[in-house]
Amino acid sequence: DIQMTQSPSTLSASVGDRVTITCRSSQTISNWLAWYQQKPGKAPKMLIYKASDLKSGVPSRFSGSGSGTEFTLTISSLQPDDFATYYCQQYHENLYTFGQGTKLEMK
Amino acid sequence: QLQLQESGPGLVKPSETLSLTCTVAGGSISRSTYSWGWIRQSPGKGLEWIGSISNTGGPYYHSSLQSRITIAVGTSENQLSLTLISVTAADTAIYYCAREDGYWGQGILVTVSS
Repeated sequence: DIQMTQSPSTLSASVGDRVTITCRSSQTISNWLAWYQQKPGKAPKMLIYKASDLKSGVPSRFSGSGSGTEFTLTISSLQPDDFATYYCQQYHENLYTFGQGTKLEMK
Repeated sequence: QLQLQESGPGLVKPSETLSLTCTVAGGSISRSTYSWGWIRQSPGKGLEWIGSISNTGGPYYHSSLQSRITIAVGTSENQLSLTLISVTAADTAIYYCAREDGYWGQGILVTVSS
């Protein structure tokens, strides 16, 4: 099974900050990676697919990059609505795996 | 607008079978080129992909659940089912159904307890 490792597990930041979350896969997955945002009591919301494609309706302050085994999600200027938990998910060869999550909290 | 809704019992006894249904409105599972799947989230924990199916292949299952799980498209073209046998307290979770391009149901909490 492909393992996904996210870092950091927790990130403290302030409104207006630029933040980056990293996700590494245990083997190459090309660009078959998505990023999700989850708020308490809600289903996850897809932000990015194919590593860098922004899902329709998602603010442009979110961006994704990477390929192979290393990927990043960047929020260019943190907004109050962005404090949530973020997950990466690989979908290579029909078997999916999520990272363990990064909780983005207010400093 | 595509909508997904999970349904089933909220309480299952240990060693029994968990059966859930995902009903899709605004689209067809059986005529879709997308993959459809189940994901669960134990209380306070992260997301765990359980398995998925599409009309081009599958079902595909998480290796740790492979011996206990069945995912299938229901007799209605708009329903996806999940069956998990021999459940334990470790199977207590919110269960979500989802389409691979990011449409998710609201989730259903299933508690395994006697």
